[in-house]
Amino acid sequence: DTEVTQTPKHLVMGMTNKKSLKCEQHMGHRAMYWYKQKAKKPPELMFVYSYEKLSINESVPSRFSPECPNSSLLNLHLHALQPEDSALYLCASSQSHQGGTEAFFGQGTRLTVV
Amino acid sequence: GESVGLHLPTLSVQEGDNSIINCAYSNSASDYFIWYKQESGKGPQFIIDIRSNMDKRQGQRVTVLLNKTVKHLSLQIAATQPGDSAVYFCAENMDTGRRALTFGSGTRLQVQP
Repeated sequence: DTEVTQTPKHLVMGMTNKKSLKCEQHMGHRAMYWYKQKAKKPPELMFVYSYEKLSINESVPSRFSPECPNSSLLNLHLHALQPEDSALYLCASSQSHQGGTEAFFGQGTRLTVV
Repeated sequence: GESVGLHLPTLSVQEGDNSIINCAYSNSASDYFIWYKQESGKGPQFIIDIRSNMDKRQGQRVTVLLNKTVKHLSLQIAATQPGDSAVYFCAENMDTGRRALTFGSGTRLQVQP
């Protein structure tokens, strides 16, 4: 199994809603990532979890709250988002948080904030 | 919001031709590089990687070249096929204690039948 599974595939939410994005991998990877991708732009790193602990937060606004319940799961909790937060949110995993390892990406969640 | 008029660099090639996609990276401390392919509506898909102690690596129909002197990476695709049409990103891992992939700006490859 070399898949990273993200749910939902599409999400439309209002600015007062609370929602969560979910990511799952069963490759035994110990590093998991959230990236944000706007149209015609490269993915931008948001958060890195290494061995279920948050190791990098790229100065992401607190309306985005990551959670790593166990080594296979990664969540991104959303609250009071703005329309400019609409984007493709990508989850990725890699064997470790050390350099030199390939990251596997999920298909993403297309988020629209209205 | 999104920038009006923002375009990805585009490379248009004929089916069967060879394609070369280029990438410049900025951090001389980067020691690992990956090329990803991203089709519309999908996540990035691994194509090939190379470490900084190598200059060239070959895969099936793809070759990556690394020139550390000028901090340049290229992806060569042989006998380009319509299924190769996608956006291609190079990514680097910066060996500065901040170990996560950073992506380049991307190139759109359009293969004309």
